[in-house]
Amino acid sequence: AQSVTQLDSQVPVFEEAPVELRCNYSSSVSVYLFWYVQYPNQGLQLLLKYLSGSTLVESINGFEAEFNKSQTSFHLRKPSVHISDTAEYFCAVRQNTGGGNKLTFGTGTQLKVEL
Amino acid sequence: EAQVTQNPRYLITVTGKKLTVTCSQNMNHEYMSWYRQDPGLGLRQIYYSMNVEVTDKGDVPEGYKVSRKEKRNFPLILESPSPNQTSLYFCASSPTPGGQAFFGQGTRLTVV
Repeated sequence: AQSVTQLDSQVPVFEEAPVELRCNYSSSVSVYLFWYVQYPNQGLQLLLKYLSGSTLVESINGFEAEFNKSQTSFHLRKPSVHISDTAEYFCAVRQNTGGGNKLTFGTGTQLKVEL
Repeated sequence: EAQVTQNPRYLITVTGKKLTVTCSQNMNHEYMSWYRQDPGLGLRQIYYSMNVEVTDKGDVPEGYKVSRKEKRNFPLILESPSPNQTSLYFCASSPTPGGQAFFGQGTRLTVV
């Protein structure tokens, strides 16, 4: 079984400030890790993913996440947020062997960027 | 354009009236899934399919049915909807287990 914990349901932050959205996971086997973003009234879009290799992964819009195996974490960071980053962010895990197509999501973190 | 298309986007129905939400993808993906999104609970997997005629239960399958007769389509069927199935539903597809999941725009279902 696998699970994902996003401890922060809401994170308010001022524009141009740094932000970290926390994600911890639990799994008995190796996993792939994902961050998805959901803008208001839209579906989910992939933000970034870790499959293997470098533990630091980056997105095209300035977000980055670091896979920490010992702490079973995959926190999402951005050094300077913009109003347009206001959205809900979901961390997700999937087993990298077998497991069918089971993508397990966290409960989401609502990022609200204020002026 | 690569996409996952769900229909309808919005649906209000009455308890017990059978309904189907359609999902179609144009990327030739093998894997497809249905999720429901509820406040405070995130997304929970209802059913998934690894290929044509291969489907399996996710975390919350009760009250739902699916079929995968063609690779591109993966309809979600509610034989007898109940108010606790009021939710936002998403269909997704991906080429491989580690591949990016592409999501539809969602279907907001209200059962009264």
